[in-house]
Amino acid sequence: SQKIEQNSEALNIQEGKTATLTCNYTNYSPAYLQWYRQDPGRGPVFLLLIRENEKEKRKERLKVTFDTTLKQSLFHITASQPADSATYLCASPRGYSTLTFGKGTMLLVSP
Amino acid sequence: DAGVIQSPRHEVTEMGQEVTLRCKPISGHNSLFWYRQTMMRGLELLIYFNNNVPIDDSGMPEDRFSAKMPNASFSTLKIQPSEPRDSAVYFCASSQDSYEQYFGPGTRLTVT
Repeated sequence: SQKIEQNSEALNIQEGKTATLTCNYTNYSPAYLQWYRQDPGRGPVFLLLIRENEKEKRKERLKVTFDTTLKQSLFHITASQPADSATYLCASPRGYSTLTFGKGTMLLVSP
Repeated sequence: DAGVIQSPRHEVTEMGQEVTLRCKPISGHNSLFWYRQTMMRGLELLIYFNNNVPIDDSGMPEDRFSAKMPNASFSTLKIQPSEPRDSAVYFCASSQDSYEQYFGPGTRLTVT
């Protein structure tokens, strides 16, 4: 079955820098990947979906890439702000219209 | 829209008791998902309903867990009897045409 691997260590960066988070999948290349944001005590919130045939997708300060050779998606936040501090989850379809989620990477942006 | 509504937000119960978690999906959404989240295992899918019919329940841990969706606006997840290892945050999510999922605020369950 598909496994989604995200760096379990928190990423600490300074405000204004670009944050880059990694999502690796282990088996077949999924038709798409999704990225969600989760704040403490809240449910995940959908951010972006990138399809297998899309190399890159942007939304405001967010950029996602999909590299089927490396079996990897990168999630970038440019000009990061303290309000971007949260846990970011990567998800892959797993059949029956359901998703497999990674455990997420916590991002901490310091002023 | 009010979003996905879950109740209760917090539940503390003793081992052996029955626990019922409730979910109201976003109106018009035809898919509903129940998840469990722990530090160790992350976010795990328990069961998926489409048009009120259970489609994938492979994530339901054991017979102690059951879920129902009697109509398009209500679902329950029941644990009977509850055990300490069931302590987790339980999320309900809904979607239309199964891409982007909208999550509720979750129910934090503590079984002592």
